[in-house]
Amino acid sequence: DGGITQSPKYLFRKEGQNVTLSCEQNLNHDAMYWYRQDPGQGLRLIYYSQIVNDFQKGDIAEGYSVSREKKESFPLTVTSAQKNPTAFYLCASSVRQGPSTDTQYFGPGTRLTVL
Amino acid sequence: KQEVTQIPAALSVPEGENLVLNCSFTDSAIYNLQWFRQDPGKGLTSLLLIQSSQREQTSGRLNASLDKSSGRSTLYIAASQPGDSATYLCAVRPHSGAGSYQLTFGKGTKLSVIP
Repeated sequence: DGGITQSPKYLFRKEGQNVTLSCEQNLNHDAMYWYRQDPGQGLRLIYYSQIVNDFQKGDIAEGYSVSREKKESFPLTVTSAQKNPTAFYLCASSVRQGPSTDTQYFGPGTRLTVL
Repeated sequence: KQEVTQIPAALSVPEGENLVLNCSFTDSAIYNLQWFRQDPGKGLTSLLLIQSSQREQTSGRLNASLDKSSGRSTLYIAASQPGDSATYLCAVRPHSGAGSYQLTFGKGTKLSVIP
């Protein structure tokens, strides 16, 4: 089955720890995205990547880092610098970037809770 | 800066009723608009994508319209079913320029269809 997988589904972090959220896709999509969703809020873009070894900051990149070493993978690290990391994190991918007719396909999400 | 508003925030209807969800946006310079469905604790599923040059798109019992000049879109659901219960989000993509990759999401309308 083609799709996007995120792991783990639930993640607990102690204050001061860095944690990494996994996102993998087998759709052969060029672009990948990370969003954060807080209760009753719309999605906000953290980082996006158009091609391997290239990524750009979204609206709320502070306290987060990413890498794109493979087309299929786009892991997100939540660092200790992120002051309010408790949220639902969604990864997405699309065929291509830029003004096009692409649709973004989303993974099932990871719920991060800081203890 | 683009702002997307969805009203109402929550809606409860009896099964079988036709209903309309509303989405408004402040900047009419969009490339396309998407409607998504999100079930509790899950990722987003794309329902319909309307290009800025289009007036509407249909898929089964769903019909989405777009009036770009007035900054409005509606999602019409015919003959609602309990399985339609979910949160519905709309998102707009800017027409061009820096950030044209970036979707701006509304906060969503939580729909409950009562059997």
